[in-house]
Amino acid sequence: AQRVTQPEKLLSVFKGAPVELKCNYSYSGSPELFWYVQYSRQRLQLLLRHISRESIKGFTADLNKGETSFHLKKPFAQEEDSAMYYCALSGFEGAQKLVFGQGTRLTINP
Amino acid sequence: GAGVSQTPSNKVTEKGKYVELRCDPISGHTALYWYRQSLGQGPEFLIYFQGTGAADDSGLPNDRFFAVRPEGSVSTLKIQRTERGDSAVYLCASSPTGYDEQYFGPGTRLTVT
Repeated sequence: AQRVTQPEKLLSVFKGAPVELKCNYSYSGSPELFWYVQYSRQRLQLLLRHISRESIKGFTADLNKGETSFHLKKPFAQEEDSAMYYCALSGFEGAQKLVFGQGTRLTINP
Repeated sequence: GAGVSQTPSNKVTEKGKYVELRCDPISGHTALYWYRQSLGQGPEFLIYFQGTGAADDSGLPNDRFFAVRPEGSVSTLKIQRTERGDSAVYLCASSPTGYDEQYFGPGTRLTVT
């Protein structure tokens, strides 16, 4: 069964501190992993996907197949990073319906 | 250009009533998805359309839920005999082919009283 686990519902860090949002997954094939973000009063939007290997807004995420993890990291948090973050996966076999984790609310304190 | 739009933004209905939720995808996007997001949870997949046909409806919780996309553009999610447990935000997303980034709408908040 496909499953995404985000162990932290809430995460609070100070501005300038490093941030790591954890994501673990279970999937029997070769998944594609994503991070979606929802800022206050905005719609859900894609932050990054592992196959593109891009760094968006200073965030990076590395797919670790051995640990089945896809943690999101940023070395220096900014106040505008405060948002709800969702990890998601899809399978390569078919169209990309997404399986989401329950989300982590990140708050950056000034 | 215009993003995915959903109407209504809010819908309050009584238990047992029928509701329709509408999604207008980005023009030209062949793939359309419906998700449901309950309070404190991530979005949960309901159904996926490729063109006019439902390619995957494995997420529909029961036969009270039905969705159509007759002309391959606008989609309507229909819920019969609503129950209080149907209360959630219903999200629609579209993507160019089904193998690309999904663009989400603002959602419809459904409240069943």
